Amino acid sequence: TQLLEQSPQFLSIQEGENLTVYCNSSSVFSSLQWYRQEPGEGPVLLVTVVTGGEVKKLKRLTFQFGDARKDSSLHITAAQPGDTGLYLCAGAVSNQGGKLIFGQGTELSVKP
Amino acid sequence: NAGVTQTPKFQVLKTGQSMTLQCAQDMNHEYMSWYRQDPGMGLRLIHYSVGAGITDQGEVPNGYNVSRSTTEDFPLRLLSAAPSQTSVYFCASSYSSRNEKLFFGSGTQLSVL
Repeated sequence: TQLLEQSPQFLSIQEGENLTVYCNSSSVFSSLQWYRQEPGEGPVLLVTVVTGGEVKKLKRLTFQFGDARKDSSLHITAAQPGDTGLYLCAGAVSNQGGKLIFGQGTELSVKP
Repeated sequence: NAGVTQTPKFQVLKTGQSMTLQCAQDMNHEYMSWYRQDPGMGLRLIHYSVGAGITDQGEVPNGYNVSRSTTEDFPLRLLSAAPSQTSVYFCASSYSSRNEKLFFGSGTQLSVL
């Protein structure tokens, strides 16, 4: 069974702080997606990374795909209360026809 | 611009009851799927479909049935509900395959007593 370990599971910080969320696996991924989910809603795609070592920026969010395509990170600079939500990573497993596996999620709470 | 529409939003069942969760998309997507979300376990794939008339099992298919008679609709049937099926269920679609950008519905919160 492929696992995509996401850490930390919970994160509570003050507005203005920086944070990093990690996704790690022993599997190689052809691509990795990051989603954000608000209470009572479905996940919404933030970004897809495809190339090993790739870095993508979305305003204050920076996404990185590991060189070996087995891990990824999401860094938020100067977090704001509007960043509060559940962040999910999802990797497409290379040797299984792109089967998508999800991490357990990181519950982020940013207090004003 | 509806996207993916799921009904109902909330449902309470008694053990042994059956029901169907509805999912419809208006984006002409070929790929549709059902996930369940449980605390600390992320999203787990139940069943998926790559086009009308084609369905396949995902990671946790037991106790669930699906069919895909049209491109737009992909209902999920619980044949005999069990407390272990208490969860939040999401329908998701993408243009052509399972590893492309997924568009999710807003979910159905199901409790089985």
